[in-house]
Amino acid sequence: AQSVTQLDSQVPVFEEAPVELRCNYSSSVSVYLFWYVQYPNQGLQLLLKYLSGSTLVESINGFEAEFNKSQTSFHLRKPSVHISDTAEYFCAVSGMFSGGYNKLIFGAGTRLAVHP
Amino acid sequence: ETGVTQTPRHLVMGMTNKKSLKCEQHLGHNAMYWYKQSAKKPLELMFVYNFKEQTENNSVPSRFSPECPNSSHLFLHLHTLQPEDSALYLCASSQELAGGRKQETQYFGPGTRLLVL
Repeated sequence: AQSVTQLDSQVPVFEEAPVELRCNYSSSVSVYLFWYVQYPNQGLQLLLKYLSGSTLVESINGFEAEFNKSQTSFHLRKPSVHISDTAEYFCAVSGMFSGGYNKLIFGAGTRLAVHP
Repeated sequence: ETGVTQTPRHLVMGMTNKKSLKCEQHLGHNAMYWYKQSAKKPLELMFVYNFKEQTENNSVPSRFSPECPNSSHLFLHLHTLQPEDSALYLCASSQELAGGRKQETQYFGPGTRLLVL
């Protein structure tokens, strides 16, 4: 079965410090990888995605994630966080799973709390 | 982000009520989804409509009934719900290629926060 594990349910960090949110997945088929962010009282917004090509992908607000096939990981990093980055972050994978069509599977989420 | 809208944003209902959640996408997509987000649990995929046909029903109780009249609109009809159905219900859409060879990005609405008393 396919699954996504986000190793930390909560990550507290001070403003301007670096942060890493960890994501590991298991799958027997090729997958695509996504990070979504959910700000309070809002829906999910796509932060970045890996479909193919360069294993390092970046978002417009300074986040980056690296696809590591051998370690089946897609960790999210930012070198210096802001108060406004406080949100819940979801890792997700998709692929041609059973049923013959693509399906998006989410991790449980990591709550990033940035403190002044 | 106004590509996917959901109404109402908040809903309180009793266990004997009947209500409907509405989702509308303005992105020209051909697939739409309902997810349930409960506290401390991963997002649960409930229903998928590809090209207006329901392609997935993840063992969702029959008190939830989806309807997809066209590729832009998706409804979730609710009746005789239970308190444990209280959650944030998220709608999403994507543009899928025929045959499902590639997962395109799913775009989410803001959700409807449902409280069942």
